[in-house]
Amino acid sequence: EIVLTQSPATLSLSPGEGATLSCRASQSISSYLAWYQQKPGQAPRLLIYDSSNRATDIPARFSGSGSGTDFTLTISSLEPEDFAVYYCQHRFNGLTFGGGTKVEIK
Amino acid sequence: QITLKESGPTLVKPTQTLTVTCTFSGFSLTTSGVGVGWIRQPPGKALEWLALIFGDDDKRYSPSLKSRLTITKDTSKNQVVLTMTHLDPVDTATYYCAHRPWGMGNYFDPWGQGTLVTVSS
Repeated sequence: EIVLTQSPATLSLSPGEGATLSCRASQSISSYLAWYQQKPGQAPRLLIYDSSNRATDIPARFSGSGSGTDFTLTISSLEPEDFAVYYCQHRFNGLTFGGGTKVEIK
Repeated sequence: QITLKESGPTLVKPTQTLTVTCTFSGFSLTTSGVGVGWIRQPPGKALEWLALIFGDDDKRYSPSLKSRLTITKDTSKNQVVLTMTHLDPVDTATYYCAHRPWGMGNYFDPWGQGTLVTVSS
């Protein structure tokens, strides 16, 4: 089973700052990686799929990159509503989620 | 607009079987590229994928839980049902169902609101 490791576990930032979240796969998964956002008490929401494609209605400040084993979610300038937990998920020969990164207000 | 809603018991005893139902609207689960998945999340923990069923009735399961899971669909009712046997307190979690879009790969969008299931005697 492919393991996804997200780092850091927590990111403390201020509104307006940029955020860089990492997801590393235990083996190559090509570009088959998605990112989800989850706010407290809510279901996850798909942000990015296949590494760099924004899902419907996702703002342009969210972008994804990477291939193989190393992936990045970048939020160019944090809005108040962006403080949440972010999960990565792969779809290469199976399906697993990472452990999550919490983006909190500094 | 695609919507999904989970329903089922809030409390289950250890060793019992859990049955949760996903009732959806806005799409048809009759084409091969469309699917519905189940994902769970223990309180304060990460997401864990459980199962996925496609419109052509193809089914996929988490390898670690495969022996305990069964996923089925009823297209006439727009429902997907997940059963999990031999429940244990570690199975306490919010259970989500989610739409697997056509042409996007095995990702989930959107999700239902989730239903919290507690396993306790």
